Amino acid sequence: DTGVSQDPRHKITKRGQNVTFRCDPISEHNRLYWYRQTLGQGPEFLTYFQNEAQLEKSRLLSDRFSAERPKGSFSTLEIQRTEQGDSAMYLCASSRQGPGLEKLFFGSGTQLSVL
Amino acid sequence: AQKITQTQPGMFVQEKEAVTLDCTYDTSDPSYGLFWYKQPSSGEMIFLIYQGSYDQQNATEGRYSLNFQKARKSANLVISASQLGDSAMYFCAMRGSGAGSYQLTFGKGTKLSVIP
Repeated sequence: DTGVSQDPRHKITKRGQNVTFRCDPISEHNRLYWYRQTLGQGPEFLTYFQNEAQLEKSRLLSDRFSAERPKGSFSTLEIQRTEQGDSAMYLCASSRQGPGLEKLFFGSGTQLSVL
Repeated sequence: AQKITQTQPGMFVQEKEAVTLDCTYDTSDPSYGLFWYKQPSSGEMIFLIYQGSYDQQNATEGRYSLNFQKARKSANLVISASQLGDSAMYFCAMRGSGAGSYQLTFGKGTKLSVIP
């Protein structure tokens, strides 16, 4: 169990550029979540996958955001035409569906800075 | 809609003392779960403790206990015998049972500083 891995840890980009983040969940986990955390706030839900199916997207996820989990394993989150308001920590979490408490395991996040 | 309120932006505690971090919540769901997470400076959210709305007893996990008062809609985290490594941000979160029940709703967090 190597934990949830996110890459890169930090990303600096210019406004208008596209960026892509990767999340590798814990191997036996079939559920994957993306959250966004801005300074001084708690994480906010963005989207959720069960296996390869994206089952829910938050209203926070504008058309410039797209997430995929093509084979039900790793996931990518792409932001097109970045804006300064996109600057935040992007957290990925995974869990295993089953009886009892669903415990989310979070990665260390990708810190995005849009200049 | 669900809402979590953490009214303490920052707290200080002397090493080896106990500290209580406050959390109140609001939901219309008949059943729900309450979580506490720790976020050190590395950024990773670490699960600490969980309380289900129908659990009869308050949850405990080692030095962590959850003071659950359902009528007051509060779920305070108690950390006993504080250690220097407890210095971090602490977030209260909840998950409901209705639509979107896979989402966690987080509060704004409390920054805990443990003083040697």
